[in-house]
Amino acid sequence: GAGVSQSPRYKVAKRGQDVALRCDPISGHVSLFWYQQALGQGPEFLTYFQNEAQLDKSGLPSDRFFAERPEGSVSTLKIQRTQQEDSAVYLCASSDDRGRQPQHFGDGTRLSIL
Amino acid sequence: SQQGEEDPQALSIQEGENATMNCSYKTSINNLQWYRQNSGRGLVHLILIRSNEREKHSGRLRVTLDTSKKSSSLLITASRAADTASYFCATDARTSGTYKYIFGTGTRLKVLA
Repeated sequence: GAGVSQSPRYKVAKRGQDVALRCDPISGHVSLFWYQQALGQGPEFLTYFQNEAQLDKSGLPSDRFFAERPEGSVSTLKIQRTQQEDSAVYLCASSDDRGRQPQHFGDGTRLSIL
Repeated sequence: SQQGEEDPQALSIQEGENATMNCSYKTSINNLQWYRQNSGRGLVHLILIRSNEREKHSGRLRVTLDTSKKSSSLLITASRAADTASYFCATDARTSGTYKYIFGTGTRLKVLA
């Protein structure tokens, strides 16, 4: 079956623009995670959904970051008024249990802010 | 603010040799997972070890867990050039009933043919 799909794969935006990153998890997966990965670092947790409920958003770096999963499947991570420090790879992962099972990752969106 | 620390940060070995990577973490965990990441790709799950387990095997992989020292190791035996990748440990930081995985800084493994 299909894995986790993220789009776009690459996104270049000018500082101050808004961006939206999409994640299509594996069908039926309850849990969905967003991570931010800086170059040469491990993924850093941003937020966690269980179905459509956002249960943990403690990792979102500022109120410019917003994530949603309105129907419990596809999720969108939105960054408003982008800044250069937002440049990173944004990874999405899903799992078929409430976080107790291995996560399946997409290939990420590489965001570059000019 | 990452919880896990891996060492070494980078490791270069010859094909056929064994590679050992270590991970240390800070708080109590329910389980620890190891992931591999090839350049420009997402992470791929390798193995999960629960807090009440001490050792686990999967093919050429062997993982140990020492909860008293808050550390884990990943051993890859008979390495191949295709094992070249970054390896991360991840621990669950269960807080308030939600699930948050904390990843380490990673070990960049290079296997020379």
